[in-house]
Amino acid sequence: AQKVTQAQTEISVVEKEDVTLDCVYETRDTTYYLFWYKQPPSGELVFLIRRNSFDEQNEISGRYSWNFQKSTSSFNFTITASQVVDSAVYFCALGNFNKFYFGSGTKLNVKP
Amino acid sequence: ETGVTQSPTHLIKTRGQQVTLRCSSQSGHNTVSWYQQALGQGPQFIFQYYREEENGRGNFPPRFSGLQFPNYSSELNVNALELDDSALYLCASSLPLGQRGYEQYFGPGTRLTVT
Repeated sequence: AQKVTQAQTEISVVEKEDVTLDCVYETRDTTYYLFWYKQPPSGELVFLIRRNSFDEQNEISGRYSWNFQKSTSSFNFTITASQVVDSAVYFCALGNFNKFYFGSGTKLNVKP
Repeated sequence: ETGVTQSPTHLIKTRGQQVTLRCSSQSGHNTVSWYQQALGQGPQFIFQYYREEENGRGNFPPRFSGLQFPNYSSELNVNALELDDSALYLCASSLPLGQRGYEQYFGPGTRLTVT
């Protein structure tokens, strides 16, 4: 079965705090892709990152970083020094050749 | 902006009616996927079209159908609407596997309300 679990429904932090959003996935495929998307209040999903199953190298992009661990089937997302503009719902997703599975999302509230 | 457009923005239909939603993909993208996002939930994959053929489908009944045209734009058709079909319908365009590995770019969505 293919499944993505985002156990954190909602997280609230104060600006400048670091925050990690958890994502655990299940798949029997050997080739697959993992994604993170941001959905601000305006509603449009914004692509953040894609990793394929053969590349476990962690990635940093500005204040964002991602930790992919196949051994634990996790693909966690950390925002360093959070800002109010980071407030949104964040989705983790799993894709293979022609199907995609999104988690239920984590709502991040960053308070000034 | 992603370059993916959807129409209409909002739509209100009555149970039992049929609806057609439209999507124009980003230039150069030949793969289109459709998703249903109920309030407070993650997007649920409906199906994907590649070169005018359906090549992947989620757990949705046959009354959800689609088309992709030679210019890669797409339609989602839903027959016999039910109250539970009320949701945000998202279209995403991408290049196929092997070409930047499915970076999907989403449109703003169509909000469908079934009464």
